[in-house]
Parts: sequence; C-alpha cells; structure tokens
Amino acid sequence: NAGVTQTPKFRILKIGQSMTLQCTQDMNHNYMYWYRQDPGMGLKLIYYSVGAGITDKGEVPNGYNVSRSTTEDFPLRLELAAPSQTSVYFCASSIGQGNTEAFFGQGTRLTVV
Amino acid sequence: ELKVEQNPLFLSMQEGKNYTIYCNYSTTSDRLYWYRQDPGKSLESLFVLLSNGAVKQEGRLMASLDTKARLSTLHITAAVHDLSATYFCAVDMGDMRFGAGTRLTVKP
Repeated sequence: NAGVTQTPKFRILKIGQSMTLQCTQDMNHNYMYWYRQDPGMGLKLIYYSVGAGITDKGEVPNGYNVSRSTTEDFPLRLELAAPSQTSVYFCASSIGQGNTEAFFGQGTRLTVV
Repeated sequence: ELKVEQNPLFLSMQEGKNYTIYCNYSTTSDRLYWYRQDPGKSLESLFVLLSNGAVKQEGRLMASLDTKARLSTLHITAAVHDLSATYFCAVDMGDMRFGAGTRLTVKP
C-alpha cells in the first residue's frame, strides 16, 4: 500500500524555470492538499481539492497552480520559479466528509537558485 | 482571520517530567488533529479529535479537545528521549490549517 507518493524528492531550479511536482494517492481519498514548509517553520496551505475537478486556494497560492483531473492525482505547477519558493513541499490526502485526518507524502525539497 | 496558535514553540524538558502543549484556534471547528514530525521527515498522524470533550491517549501522550474554548492540549507524561520531535496541531476550518509547531527536546 503506497499511500501518498510525491516525485521528485529533490530538485534544483534556476530562477524563471518552471516545473511540476507530482502527487498521487492510492487510498481513494477525496481531499488532497499541498503545503510548503520553510526551514524551522510550520506548514502553509497552498492549494487544496475536495474532489476531482474542484480546487481552492489556501493561504499562500501566489506563484502556483494546481489541477485535479482524477481522484488519484494532484500536481502542483510552479511557473517562473523564484528564490522565495525554496522550501519543502508536502502533499497530503484525507477521506474528507467528517474525518479529514491527513496522510502525508515524503516531501519534495526544492531549491531555486 | 483563520489562526491556529501553538505554545510553547520550543520546549526543553528532562526525562521523567510532565508538560502540556497548547493549541488555540480562532474559529468554530470540532475537528482537530495532532501530528509528529522528526527532523528531515514527513508528518505522522498521532491523534484525531472529532468532538467536544474528545480525549485520546497513546503511550505517554494524551490529547484533548474543548471546542467551546477553541483549545486542544497535548499532555506529555514522564517524558522519554524518543519523544523528541516537533508536534503540530491542525484544525479543519473548511481547509486544513496548521499551528507553527512545538519543537520538543527531551534531555536525560
């Protein structure tokens, strides 16, 4: 049982480049989330989705885009990467509807130089 | 504004001692979660609290929820070194918001 799988684990981007962080879950969870965690800090919600075709902004959505075309996948797109986007990105999923206990992926450590 | 506030942010305690971590939140919710994060690792779910008065215990940790006070506590009993980690509370406010975390260090 894989749970929540994120790829890649590490990435270095140059300023202005774009990339997509992949997230897939095999638990048939309705809800999915993207968070960023800066060093020594808590998690900030970037975007979330309560089901296929539905996405909503979180606390810090600027500079990011998401899509949710299937229940399993929730990719996060960075356009025009900036040094301020250097962070560890976590994807999570939950059943939703009364119990939103989140199950997390292993994280993607992104450095923008 | 949606806020989740934890305190303390840093906690250094000796083995065998007791302590409580507090999580206050700014809006009505009856769904609160506690997670543990080890350095360089992902987050692991510890407790799921889904109603007012909910209390859960696992080993030396006990979590409780008071939705009227918008307060959850994580109580540590007779701390051991293996409990050293960062502990986060998270509140379902329509989206899932996290506190800043409490970095716990347990010393011999």
